[in-house]
Amino acid sequence: TQLLEQSPQFLSIQEGENLTVYCNSSSVFSSLQWYRQEPGEGPVLLVTVVTGGEVKKLKRLTFQFGDARKDSSLHITAAQPGDTGLYLCAGVYAGGTSYGKLTFGQGTILTVHP
Amino acid sequence: NAGVTQTPKFQVLKTGQSMTLQCAQDMNHNSMYWYRQDPGMGLRLIYYSASEGTTDKGEVPNGYNVSRLNKREFSLRLESAAPSQTSVYFCASSSVGTGGVGGYTFGSGTRLTVV
Repeated sequence: TQLLEQSPQFLSIQEGENLTVYCNSSSVFSSLQWYRQEPGEGPVLLVTVVTGGEVKKLKRLTFQFGDARKDSSLHITAAQPGDTGLYLCAGVYAGGTSYGKLTFGQGTILTVHP
Repeated sequence: NAGVTQTPKFQVLKTGQSMTLQCAQDMNHNSMYWYRQDPGMGLRLIYYSASEGTTDKGEVPNGYNVSRLNKREFSLRLESAAPSQTSVYFCASSSVGTGGVGGYTFGSGTRLTVV
């Protein structure tokens, strides 16, 4: 079973602070995605990274894909209460006949206090 | 609005009862998926359908069956519900071949409790 380790599991910070969430695996990904989920709703795609070393920015969110395509990080600058939610990384492993099946990390519950 | 529609949103079952969770997408996606979400465990794949007419087991298929009724619809059936199947169930769809790159579109989930 291929594992996707996400850390930390919980993060509670004050408005204005910066934070980083990590996603790691011993296997290589063909692509990796980050989702955000709010209570009572399904996950919503934030970004997809496919190239080793790739960096993508979405307003205050910066996503990085490791050079070896085995890890990724999500950095939020100056967090706001509206950033509160569950953040999930998910990857498609390279090789095999995965048909684009996503393997999800355990998720990071982020709470940003005013 | 285009997207993935799941029904019902909430359900309570008694142990041993059966039920079918319905899912439909209107984005002309080829691939559809059923996941369950439990605290601290992320989302785990139950079954998937890479294209109309095909279904395959995922990580946790025991106790479930699926039917890809047509390109739009993918249902999940619990034949004899057990308390361990208490969970939130999500249906998702994606474009074939680019599912990992294109991203999944998720429904809003079915919260199932088995007592």
